[in-house]
Amino acid sequence: AQSVTQPDIHITVSEGASLELRCNYSYGATPYLFWYVQSPGQGLQLLLKYFSGDTLVQGIKGFEAEFKRSQSSFNLRKPSVHWSDAAEYFCAVGGRGGSEKLVFGKGTKLTVNP
Amino acid sequence: GAGVSQSPSNKVTEKGKDVELRCDPISGHTALYWYRQSLGQGLEFLIYFQGNSAPDKSGLPSDRFSAERTGGSVSTLTIQRTQQEDSAVYLCASSSPPGQGTQPQHFGDGTRLSIL
Repeated sequence: AQSVTQPDIHITVSEGASLELRCNYSYGATPYLFWYVQSPGQGLQLLLKYFSGDTLVQGIKGFEAEFKRSQSSFNLRKPSVHWSDAAEYFCAVGGRGGSEKLVFGKGTKLTVNP
Repeated sequence: GAGVSQSPSNKVTEKGKDVELRCDPISGHTALYWYRQSLGQGLEFLIYFQGNSAPDKSGLPSDRFSAERTGGSVSTLTIQRTQQEDSAVYLCASSSPPGQGTQPQHFGDGTRLSIL
């Protein structure tokens, strides 16, 4: 069965520090992988997606993620965190180019200290 | 509008009442999804519509839940005889047709449902 694990429930970083949010997935076929961000009271905003090709993908707001098939991972990174990045981050896996239902991880809540 | 629109944004109702939640997808998007986000369960898939195909209802938690999509556009999620465990944020998403490149799902801001 498809599953996504985000091992860190809550992460706190200082503004300007680097960030890495972990995501491991289990999927029987070629995975399509996504990172979404959710601010309080808001819906989910797509940060980036991996469908094929280059395993390092760039997204919005300075985020990037690297697909590592051998480790079944799709970790999200940002070199320098801004206070506005405080939010909850969800990793998701889906099929057929994203047109099938998504399976989400439980999310990682990011707190940014000034 | 440019994004997925959901209404109402908040709904408070008494246990046992029926509720209807509405989703207006992005224009031209043929796929529409409903998810539920609750504290204990995270984000769960409920139902998926794709064009004129039969919907994938595999995520609906009970027969009290149903959804329809009229005219291939607006969708309504109905919960009958609401229970307290139905309290959650109900999120709708839409995506462009298969075959038109990659089709990430775009989400609305959700309906926060509270059952008293």
